[in-house]
Amino acid sequence: NAGVTQTPKFQVLKTGQSMTLQCAQDMNHEYMSWYRQDPGMGLRLIHYSVGAGITDQGEVPNGYNVSRSTTEDFPLRLLSAAPSQTSVYFCASSDTDYTEAFFGQGTRLTVV
Amino acid sequence: QKEVEQDPGPLSVPEGAIVSLNCTYSNSAFQYFMWYRQYSRKGPELLMYTYSSGNKEDGRFTAQVDKSSKYISLFIRDSQPSDSATYLCAMSPSNDYKLSFGAGTTVTVRA
Repeated sequence: NAGVTQTPKFQVLKTGQSMTLQCAQDMNHEYMSWYRQDPGMGLRLIHYSVGAGITDQGEVPNGYNVSRSTTEDFPLRLLSAAPSQTSVYFCASSDTDYTEAFFGQGTRLTVV
Repeated sequence: QKEVEQDPGPLSVPEGAIVSLNCTYSNSAFQYFMWYRQYSRKGPELLMYTYSSGNKEDGRFTAQVDKSSKYISLFIRDSQPSDSATYLCAMSPSNDYKLSFGAGTTVTVRA
């Protein structure tokens, strides 16, 4: 049982480059979300989805796009990377019992 | 002002001590309260959750919620070196999937 799988684990980008962070879950969860974690800030919600075809913005959505074409996958796109997007990104999924969110191992992104 | 405040520590205690962690919040709509544990370079994992006010105990861990004071706590009894981690409080309203997290408190239990 893989749970929530994020790829890549590490990434270095140059300012202005684009990339997609991948997230896949095998628990048939309806709800998926992306958070970023910065020192002293905790986890902040970027975007979330309550099911295939439905996405919405969280607390810090600017500079990020998402789509949800299947229940399993929820990729996060950075269209034009900026140094302010240097962070650790976590994908999470949860069932209708949304009190428990299952997190991936994270993607450490550095934008230079 | 952040919606959820948590002292980042760090907190260092000897093995066997009681660890006391807490968070305060400003949004009175929060109904679900959670504690996540995060080991270094890993994703957070759910430790405990509580609905509304009251206490909940699970082994060495006790979670308390005081909605009147907008204050939640986590106690770890007989702490072990394996408890060394960052502890994050999280909250959500009753009809919303979105979690609001505290900054996390880093705990080190010295053998």
